[in-house]
Amino acid sequence: DAKTTQPTSMDCAEGRAANLPCNHSTISGNEYVYWYRQIHSQGPQYIIHGLKNNETNEMASLIITEDRKSSTLILPHATLRDTAVYYCIVRGPTGTASKLTFGTGTRLQVTL
Amino acid sequence: GAGVSQSPRYKVAKRGQDVALRCDPISGHVSLFWYQQALGQGPEFLTYFQNEAQLDKSGLPSDRFFAERPEGSVSTLKIQRTQQEDSAVYLCASSLGQSLSTDTQYFGPGTRLTVL
Repeated sequence: DAKTTQPTSMDCAEGRAANLPCNHSTISGNEYVYWYRQIHSQGPQYIIHGLKNNETNEMASLIITEDRKSSTLILPHATLRDTAVYYCIVRGPTGTASKLTFGTGTRLQVTL
Repeated sequence: GAGVSQSPRYKVAKRGQDVALRCDPISGHVSLFWYQQALGQGPEFLTYFQNEAQLDKSGLPSDRFFAERPEGSVSTLKIQRTQQEDSAVYLCASSLGQSLSTDTQYFGPGTRLTVL
């Protein structure tokens, strides 16, 4: 699976949009981009995933660049409960496709 | 519906003791995964089941680690002769198992193991 690069930490004011970037320059054409988050002392929580097109659900939006080498997770109106570590994961049908390979993620701190 | 549950939530063991960690996946989920998360790190894959078959155990760190899922539902991760380096949060996840690459995994709350 392709390696991802994320900033170590970010801050965001409550009520503002949080934009979390991820670089995955070695991504293959059949690999998906997944985002999970982990709130302190909880298990990782699925947020969203995509292949080529932008995706939106009730939690967030995922914007993938046309060359697919990077993506951005957008939390449109961040709240204090969104404070967590956010993991960008690339996953595809090669090798042991089932497992998720987590990096160290981005620690998002939402402040008043 | 109920999510993935794990028990116990916390376990303290003396070095050398054996421990057993339980995972109850979401009902109907075919695939089950175990991950290990050290303090300050992201989760790392340990092993994967499809129904009762253990299809990948490449992440198990030593032969002291053993996992089973005999009836294709509940799974147990067993660690024999625990060492201090085994201290971590052990996470279980399950998924429908419909597609290897796009199948969403849902995680339990984890079991925090502390080996003294």
